[in-house]
Amino acid sequence: DVKVTQSSRYLVKRTGEKVFLECVQDMDHENMFWYRQDPGLGLRLIYFSYDVKMKEKGDIPEGYSVSREKKERFSLILESASTNQTSMYLCASSLHALIGEQFFGPGTRLTVL
Amino acid sequence: KNQVEQSPQSLIILEGKNCTLQCNYTVSPFSNLRWYKQDTGRGPVSLTIMTFSENTKSNGRYTATLDADTKQSSLHITASQLSDSASYICVVVKAAGNKLTFGGGTRVLVKP
Repeated sequence: DVKVTQSSRYLVKRTGEKVFLECVQDMDHENMFWYRQDPGLGLRLIYFSYDVKMKEKGDIPEGYSVSREKKERFSLILESASTNQTSMYLCASSLHALIGEQFFGPGTRLTVL
Repeated sequence: KNQVEQSPQSLIILEGKNCTLQCNYTVSPFSNLRWYKQDTGRGPVSLTIMTFSENTKSNGRYTATLDADTKQSSLHITASQLSDSASYICVVVKAAGNKLTFGGGTRVLVKP
């Protein structure tokens, strides 16, 4: 079974703090994704990566950056957290880019005060 | 604008009853359509993936249908169980650029 893990289930940060969200997958997948999920808006793609050190912007990259130094790990970084970044953050991985089945982690619920 | 609209937003059904969730989309060109189940506080889990040529696909008590001409899909849950209480998300993948568009989901509550 594919396992995608995220470093924290719940996180509370203050405005202006730098926030790191970590995601690890154990199936040697090339592709990894970060989404945020907000009520009524569905999942929205922030960034994705199709290889180590490679990244592509998704639909809402503003205020976020990512890092992929190793194949199994994909990090989402909020350089200066703001209250409108309070959300559920979901990481996913897939074998075949965006057309392959995506396997999701459990999510991190981030609250920015 | 490529969109995926799901209905209803939420529904309550009694255990053992059937229900059908709807997904209408405008995404074009079409690659495939997926249904995910998301339990509260968990990440989505794939139920079915359907390509253009597939009209029906089942996964246990879940049956998805696709009409690519009318750009509509449905997810039918047969003999609902309490564990079916979850959000069900429709996702349409665009062929050009392989972009995924997520619907807002339908929240299902199964009551005993």
